[in-house]
Amino acid sequence: AQSVAQPEDQVNVAEGNPLTVKCTYSVSGNPYLFWYVQYPNRGLQFLLKYITGDNLVKGSYGFEAEFNKSQTSFHLKKPSALVSDSALYFCAVRVRHSGTYKYIFGTGTRLKVLA
Amino acid sequence: GAGVSQSPRYKVAKRGQDVALRCDPISGHVSLFWYQQALGQGPEFLTYFQNEAQLDKSGLPSDRFFAERPEGSVSTLKIQRTQQEDSAVYLCASSLEGNQPQHFGDGTRLSIL
Repeated sequence: AQSVAQPEDQVNVAEGNPLTVKCTYSVSGNPYLFWYVQYPNRGLQFLLKYITGDNLVKGSYGFEAEFNKSQTSFHLKKPSALVSDSALYFCAVRVRHSGTYKYIFGTGTRLKVLA
Repeated sequence: GAGVSQSPRYKVAKRGQDVALRCDPISGHVSLFWYQQALGQGPEFLTYFQNEAQLDKSGLPSDRFFAERPEGSVSTLKIQRTQQEDSAVYLCASSLEGNQPQHFGDGTRLSIL
């Protein structure tokens, strides 16, 4: 079955330190991968995507993600965390389904940046 | 408006009542998705529209759930004879066609008493 896994329910990091939020996937074919962020009582906001090309993708708010085909991973990173980055982060993959496509989301990782 | 708009933001209903949730996508967006998000979980796919055509409804959990998008813009998700397990946040997202990212509304939080 096609799936997305976010192995960490929560990640704590000190402000100013680098952060990594992990994501691995299991899909057939070439994956289209996405990261979204969700703040309390809000919908998801798009951060970045990987379709093809350079394995290092840069996105909004200083976030980047590295696509690793051999490890089937798409980890989200930021060189220096801010307290305002504290939120819920979701990894997603677009897959072919029933002649069209749909998105599968991970269960989310709560990022807490400590001042 | 500039974003995806969902209404109502909060809905409380008694078990057995019917509810209707509305989604106004971004103007010109061809694709529209509905998701169900349980507390502490990621969004789970319910259904997908391309313009007015419902191309995939495989995620709808039962025949009590029905979605429509008759003119290819506004969409309504209807739940008949609501049950307590229907309590969740229902998210709507729209996108231009192809590989474009989805734009999400803020959701409707449905509570069934």
